[in-house]
Amino acid sequence: EDQVTQSPEALRLQEGESSSLNCSYTVSGLRGLFWYRQDPGKGPEFLFTLYSAGEEKEKERLKATLTKKESFLHITAPKPEDSATYLCAGPPGARQLTFGSGTQLTVLP
Amino acid sequence: ETGVTQTPRHLVMGMTNKKSLKCEQHLGHNAMYWYKQSAKKPLELMFVYNFKEQTENNSVPSRFSPECPNSSHLFLHLHTLQPEDSALYLCASSLEGVETEAFFGQGTRLTVV
Repeated sequence: EDQVTQSPEALRLQEGESSSLNCSYTVSGLRGLFWYRQDPGKGPEFLFTLYSAGEEKEKERLKATLTKKESFLHITAPKPEDSATYLCAGPPGARQLTFGSGTQLTVLP
Repeated sequence: ETGVTQTPRHLVMGMTNKKSLKCEQHLGHNAMYWYKQSAKKPLELMFVYNFKEQTENNSVPSRFSPECPNSSHLFLHLHTLQPEDSALYLCASSLEGVETEAFFGQGTRLTVV
């Protein structure tokens, strides 16, 4: 059974303090994953799709990377409005997507 | 706005009530989903429809009954729910099933009393 593990569960950063979130999963063959952002009381918002090892995608202060075993979401010089829960899910094309429990990010001004 | 609209946003219902959640997507997608999100737990897939046909039913209790009259609309009919069914219910759609990214609605916060 596919499992998606995200770490850390929670992360508090000062504004401007860069860091990375991790998503790892065990699947029968690497097939990529999705990253989402979720604000409290709202539905997840799509950020990125990564399909193969070595692939990178960027959006504003966020950069997602994928290796053979895990993915990282790098946040450069975060701002308070980046505070949210970040979810990863995968793999694309599976019969069912498996979601991680998320990393709750808080960026302090 | 993601192009996926859910109504109502909040719902309080008694255990003997019957209610329905509605989802509408304006994206021209072919697949629609119902997910359940409980506190401190990952999103749980409930139902999947591809081209109006149900393709997944994740062992969901029969007190939850989905309906997909066309590719743009999805309903979740609720009856005789339990307090543990209280959660955020999310609808999503994608262009071509789970090959492509899903776009979520804002969710319905359901409280069963």
